[in-house]
Amino acid sequence: DTEVTQTPKHLVMGMTNKKSLKCEQHMGHRAMYWYKQKAKKPPELMFVYSYEKLSINESVPSRFSPECPNSSLLNLHLHALQPEDSALYLCASSSRAVVYNEQFFGPGTRLTVL
Amino acid sequence: QQQVKQSPQSLIVQKGGISIINCAYENTAFDYFPWYQQFPGKGPALLIAIRPDVSEKKEGRFTISFNKSAKQFSLHIMDSQPGDSATYFCAAVRTRLTFGEGTQLTVNP
Repeated sequence: DTEVTQTPKHLVMGMTNKKSLKCEQHMGHRAMYWYKQKAKKPPELMFVYSYEKLSINESVPSRFSPECPNSSLLNLHLHALQPEDSALYLCASSSRAVVYNEQFFGPGTRLTVL
Repeated sequence: QQQVKQSPQSLIVQKGGISIINCAYENTAFDYFPWYQQFPGKGPALLIAIRPDVSEKKEGRFTISFNKSAKQFSLHIMDSQPGDSATYFCAAVRTRLTFGEGTQLTVNP
């Protein structure tokens, strides 16, 4: 199974809402990533978890809060977002984070902030 | 600061033609150069990758050419097919992926 799954596929939320994005992989990977992708742009790294611990935060605003409950699951909690946060949010996983290994991307969650 | 420059931004090719996408980098510490393919509504997927000690790598219709002295690498898609229509991102890696800006490829039937 080389699949990374993400739910929901689409999410529309108001600026005062609290919502969460979920990512799951069953490849035994120990590194998981959140990326943000705007239309016609490359993915931008947000967070990296290595062995369930946050290892990289690319100066992401605190309205985005990641969580890694176990080695297979990654969440992104959203609160008080702005319209400019509307984007495709991609989750990825790889066998390790310290040394580059192929990253497998999920299909993403299309987020719209009204 | 754009560390990987990719061109062209968009490319239209006839079926059966050759698609060529070019990338250039500055940081000589990069040690791995993957290409990702992304279809609409999907996440990027690794297509082919090369290490800087190799000048060329071929997988089926896809070939990476790598010029270490010029700090340039390119993707060649031979016999391009409509199903190849997608956005292609080159990337360079030290400990993390640094993507180019992407090329939207359209292959006309």
